[in-house]
Amino acid sequence: SQKIEQNSEALNIQEGKTATLTCNYTNYSPAYLQWYRQDPGRGPVFLLLIRENEKEKRKERLKVTFDTTLKQSLFHITASQPADSATYLCALNTGFQKLVFGTGTRLLVSP
Amino acid sequence: DTEVTQTPKHLVMGMTNKKSLKCEQHMGHRAMYWYKQKAKKPPELMFVYSYEKLSINESVPSRFSPECPNSSLLNLHLHALQPEDSALYLCASSQPRDRGYYEQYFGPGTRLTVT
Repeated sequence: SQKIEQNSEALNIQEGKTATLTCNYTNYSPAYLQWYRQDPGRGPVFLLLIRENEKEKRKERLKVTFDTTLKQSLFHITASQPADSATYLCALNTGFQKLVFGTGTRLLVSP
Repeated sequence: DTEVTQTPKHLVMGMTNKKSLKCEQHMGHRAMYWYKQKAKKPPELMFVYSYEKLSINESVPSRFSPECPNSSLLNLHLHALQPEDSALYLCASSQPRDRGYYEQYFGPGTRLTVT
């Protein structure tokens, strides 16, 4: 069956450290992978998109890597802040219009 | 304007009621989506409209009926729902690019409770 798995446990880190979140998938061959942030009771917010032929993408304090051989993406937040606390979702484009989300990882950044 | 709006924010309905959820975007996006999200789960795709035509129905029960009156509006008509349909209903939109639709812009959602 097709699966998109992220760290199931919440990730607790201290302010200023780098948070690294993992997204692993099986039985997909996505051309694109995306990361979204979701706060409680709110809709997801798009953060970054990376293509299959891109190894790495950066945006301000965010960095995404995409390894199609390992079927894995890593999402890094450097110099993390308490305001970065949220649930982070990876998502794969599985068709022309379809987006399938991973299970999500809750990140808690403490002061 | 990069916002997707949804009304109402909260909705409580009985199993025999008929209600509608509304979604609006003014970004000129040509694809609009309905997702259902249960607590501590990821959003699950329900319907996709592309250029105002229904292009994807993820085997959603007929008690959910989508409608796209124009390129800016998306409705979800609800009838004879079950308590297990209680969830956060999210609307999203996106713009077609070279080989597909990519980043999606989500509304804040409608929290639906079926009693």
